[in-house]
Amino acid sequence: DADVTQTPRNRITKTGKRIMLECSQTKGHDRMYWYRQDPGLGLRLIYYSFDVKDINKGEISDGYSVSRQAQAKFSLSLESAIPNQTALYFCATSDTHNEQFFGPGTRLTVL
Amino acid sequence: GQNIDQPTEMTATEGAIVQINCTYQTSGFNGLFWYQQHAGEAPTFLSYNVLDGLEEKGRFSSFLSRSKGYSYLLLKELQMKDSASYLCAVRDRSNDYKLSFGAGTTVTVRA
Repeated sequence: DADVTQTPRNRITKTGKRIMLECSQTKGHDRMYWYRQDPGLGLRLIYYSFDVKDINKGEISDGYSVSRQAQAKFSLSLESAIPNQTALYFCATSDTHNEQFFGPGTRLTVL
Repeated sequence: GQNIDQPTEMTATEGAIVQINCTYQTSGFNGLFWYQQHAGEAPTFLSYNVLDGLEEKGRFSSFLSRSKGYSYLLLKELQMKDSASYLCAVRDRSNDYKLSFGAGTTVTVRA
């Protein structure tokens, strides 16, 4: 079984809809992250959380919100989706000092 | 913030060697990571350098010079499956130990 899972894997939605992307991990890591990836721009951090009571904005948090429901679960919401939020979204986890492990990604298209 | 630069694309022949350079500027350097990402898939961890010098892992090696703000990833005995994007990422202790990613270098291996 995968250590970091994301649902859904693909989603097509319309402008103005609310969307939630979910991430779960079985690695027992405290730290979780949401990134988006766009061609030519690399991975950009949206939000991150160092434990259940800790939520922090990344470099591109506008238009997004998150919820850390448990140590193993971190969800990303788009309250009112817009076309420029079309991207590949990755969840990642890490412990304090080591590398990040990435989920398989969610491909989101906003029409 | 960080400024991380790496070439956009490189092409090499099967069996050859390719070196991917990465330069960075950061105020609280705490490690440099290399990830491999095949098209449409999650990034996977390749190597980590925190001290100056060379780290070797089979066909892959990574070098770091902290004084120069420079790293390279060396891929030897290239195989077709090495065609992928290679991401350089820097961890900064003055930025919550978060990773900042370069835009990635797409390596194409030709027969």
